Amino acid sequence: GEDVEQSLFLSVREGDSSVINCTYTDSSSTYLYWYKQEPGAGLQLLTYIFSNMDMKQDQRLTVLLNKKDKHLSLRIADTQTGDSAIYFCAETPTGAGSYQLTFGKGTKLSVIP
Amino acid sequence: DVKVTQSSRYLVKRTGEKVFLECVQDMDHENMFWYRQDPGLGLRLIYFSYDVKMKEKGDIPEGYSVSREKKERFSLILESASTNQTSMYLCASRTGFSYEQYFGPGTRLTVT
Repeated sequence: GEDVEQSLFLSVREGDSSVINCTYTDSSSTYLYWYKQEPGAGLQLLTYIFSNMDMKQDQRLTVLLNKKDKHLSLRIADTQTGDSAIYFCAETPTGAGSYQLTFGKGTKLSVIP
Repeated sequence: DVKVTQSSRYLVKRTGEKVFLECVQDMDHENMFWYRQDPGLGLRLIYFSYDVKMKEKGDIPEGYSVSREKKERFSLILESASTNQTSMYLCASRTGFSYEQYFGPGTRLTVT
């Protein structure tokens, strides 16, 4: 069945780069998403990538997609304490009439000052 | 900007009470979702609605029901709250043209 896997924790020093990894199983996903959840808040869309792209850059964020290996990563350059949050990877559903995104369990990023 | 609001940020209820969680979106979105979020388990879909008065069960519907009488409002109902329903509840909405979901701030429900 469909599944999205992420490691649960990542700890980095302020100013370093963070790389959060995700693997997914559905090779026919059209979009892949990264959401951010700050403590006590809902999820906020950070960025997304279309499946025919292999990279997308948006300021400090770089998304890399390896479709052959079904591997998605989010790189945050110059990580700040305000980046401490849980990051969720999500893939689009397949099949007619399907409405749901499939989310990973989330990676908790801790930034050490 | 899309806005999804939830009626309460924090709620404390007693076992056996009937609990209503309300969600309202202001962007005329067709689809709305209720998730619960628990540490180590991520987001799990309880129910979703693809149109007014239409609903579909998600992965964990047991102990919950939903109501969608108006397009902008989607309610989650706990018929008889139990302690294992203590959780963070997140509502989301999306248009019919995009998979992207917009989330509310969440309701942290504690059942004692």
